[in-house]
Amino acid sequence: DIVMTQSPDSLAVSLGERATINCKSSQSVLYSSNNKNYLAWYQQKPGQPPKLLIYWASTRESGVPDRFSGSGSGTDFTLTISSLQAEDVAVYYCQQYYSTPLFTFGPGTKVDIK
Amino acid sequence: EVQLVESGGGLVKPGGSLRLSCAASGFTFSSYSMNWVRQAPGKGLEWVSSISSSSSYIYYADSVKGRFTISRDNAKNSLYLQMNSLRAEDTAVYYCARYNTATAFDIWGQGTMVTVSS
Repeated sequence: DIVMTQSPDSLAVSLGERATINCKSSQSVLYSSNNKNYLAWYQQKPGQPPKLLIYWASTRESGVPDRFSGSGSGTDFTLTISSLQAEDVAVYYCQQYYSTPLFTFGPGTKVDIK
Repeated sequence: EVQLVESGGGLVKPGGSLRLSCAASGFTFSSYSMNWVRQAPGKGLEWVSSISSSSSYIYYADSVKGRFTISRDNAKNSLYLQMNSLRAEDTAVYYCARYNTATAFDIWGQGTMVTVSS
C-alpha cells in the first residue's frame, strides 16, 4: 500500500500570510502514460465533511479560491494558501488515488490563525 | 443539486450489526464508482470500501474485510454498507463519497455517526 505522510502536523499563520503544507507518498503517484499525478487535497472544517480543493496535484476544483494552489510531482507535494483568511481554518488532507481503489489519505495538517 | 445523504447510523453493541444507506441525487448515479470513508472521533480519514458503477468490482480495507459488505442499487440511486461483527474501533462518522477518475472524491455526504459500545 502507498503510505502518505504530511508535515507539519499543525501550523499557525497570521491572517494574510502564507501557509505551506507538505505531503509525501511512499511511492510515485505519477502515471507516465498521461503525466498526471494522482494526488488530491481536501479541506475539512469542524463538523463538516471533507471538501475537494485540488486534484491532479495542481488543478483547482471549480469554485475554490485562487489563493489555494498545489504543486509537486512524483512523491513530494505541497499545498499553499497564499494569503490565509479566517475561513481557511481547517484540517487539510492529501490523498493518493494512483493505486485505485486502495485509496490512502495523509494524517492531516491542522491550520490555525496565529 | 448534486447531493449524497447518509442514514442508518446509531448506537450498537459490540458484535452487533448495522446497515448504512446513502441516497444520491442530482447526477447519474449508475455512472460512478462509490466509496465509504470513515473518521473516528478526533482522527483522520480512512477509506473503507469501494464499489464500481455496475457492482462488478468491490474492494475493502483490511480493517473491515470479512465483516462489512458494500452494495448498491442503481435503480434506487442508493449505496449501502452492511456492517457485521462490529467492534469498538469501528466507532466513527461514516461518509459516502463519489469517485471521479480525474478528480478523486469530488462529492461527499454529510456523514452518519456509528457508535459501538456496550
